[in-house]
Amino acid sequence: GNSVTQMEGPVTLSEEAFLTINCTYTATGYPSLFWYVQYPGEGLQLLLKATKADDKGSNKGFEATYRKETTSFHLEKGSVQVSDSAVYFCALSSENRLAFGKGNQVVVIP
Amino acid sequence: NAGVTQTPKFRVLKTGQSMTLLCAQDMNHEYMYWYRQDPGMGLRLIHYSVGEGTTAKGEVPDGYNVSRLKKQNFLLGLESAAPSQTSVYFCASSRPMVYGYTFGSGTRLTVV
Repeated sequence: GNSVTQMEGPVTLSEEAFLTINCTYTATGYPSLFWYVQYPGEGLQLLLKATKADDKGSNKGFEATYRKETTSFHLEKGSVQVSDSAVYFCALSSENRLAFGKGNQVVVIP
Repeated sequence: NAGVTQTPKFRVLKTGQSMTLLCAQDMNHEYMYWYRQDPGMGLRLIHYSVGEGTTAKGEVPDGYNVSRLKKQNFLLGLESAAPSQTSVYFCASSRPMVYGYTFGSGTRLTVV
């Protein structure tokens, strides 16, 4: 079935550093791809999405490009802030539901 | 514009007790879902519904039951709570998958 793999382990970086979180997927057909963010004590919020190959999703300075040739949807931000500290989940559409990766904790140090 | 509302937000149960978690959405979404979130396990789908009167099992359905009698509500029941059901439970709803989910803020359940 369709699945998503996120890089292992938390990510710790300094304020204004460049952030990349890797996400690769396995899918049949042409799924939609998503990044969700979860701030401490809250539910997940949709951060950005892309619905077809070569689409770029963007929001709040974050970007991700749907790469069919490498089956990837990596999340990037050029200059992170302390307020970006959260858990980030990659997901793809699979039949009538979303398949989620295990998430990456991002900690931004002032 | 409430979105997805979960009640209660917190609950402590004794082993063997029963309870129902309520999820309500006001967006006229067809699909609704219940997930549990545990440290290191990510999100795991318990049950879901693709329309009023329908339900289906997800990855971890054992020990839970659900009902979708009205389109806007999706209930998750625990008939006999166990400590292994200590978790944070999230409800979500959606239109067709291209739009993604809208999540509720979660219910933190502790079974002692």
